[in-house]
Amino acid sequence: SQQGEEDPQALSIQEGENATMNCSYKTSINNLQWYRQNSGRGLVHLILIRSNEREKHSGRLRVTLDTSKKSSSLLITASRAADTASYFCATDVNGNQFYFGTGTSLTVIP
Amino acid sequence: GAGVSQSPSNKVTEKGKDVELRCDPISGHTALYWYRQRLGQGLEFLIYFQGNSAPDKSGLPSDRFSAERTGESVSTLTIQRTQQEDSAVYLCASSRLPGSAYGYTFGSGTRLTVV
Repeated sequence: SQQGEEDPQALSIQEGENATMNCSYKTSINNLQWYRQNSGRGLVHLILIRSNEREKHSGRLRVTLDTSKKSSSLLITASRAADTASYFCATDVNGNQFYFGTGTSLTVIP
Repeated sequence: GAGVSQSPSNKVTEKGKDVELRCDPISGHTALYWYRQRLGQGLEFLIYFQGNSAPDKSGLPSDRFSAERTGESVSTLTIQRTQQEDSAVYLCASSRLPGSAYGYTFGSGTRLTVV
């Protein structure tokens, strides 16, 4: 089964609002990554957080990691219509394989 | 090249035919991965190449699937005797090192449709 599970499966917000999506995983990890996938396009790497880090920022993105709860969250602040995409978390368990969840589909309404 | 290049971008094939998908990783990236993404589902790991080490084939779903990589360059994923359940987007990714701090760089994928 997939290591990562995103929640919610779908999210619809107004432009300017913040979007929060969560990822839970099952086993110990080396790091966790978030990716964005626009419809019909490849995945784009957004941010990586290592297992010894608790929070990381990149522009309008904020990622947290709670290894005790085996969960991570991705916050997109001041959302824009261009943020409309699917967002996936990926867990690096052993450096050989990354396990992706089923993704959160985000729709930002202009 | 500047990014990971996959070809073809779309492939429609008849059930039972063999298909070959190609991935050109970023130059200098030692690690290369193949994933499969079925409609509405997450990415499914297929195979991983790291330098000249033996590949990790643990994700290949059946013996109809095989992949090769020459050194640290092009990789091909071959599906023999395609079935309708093979229909999916096949994504290739490369990274400079395993578990790279910069993550994977993905190609745009090959959309395979088996009719």
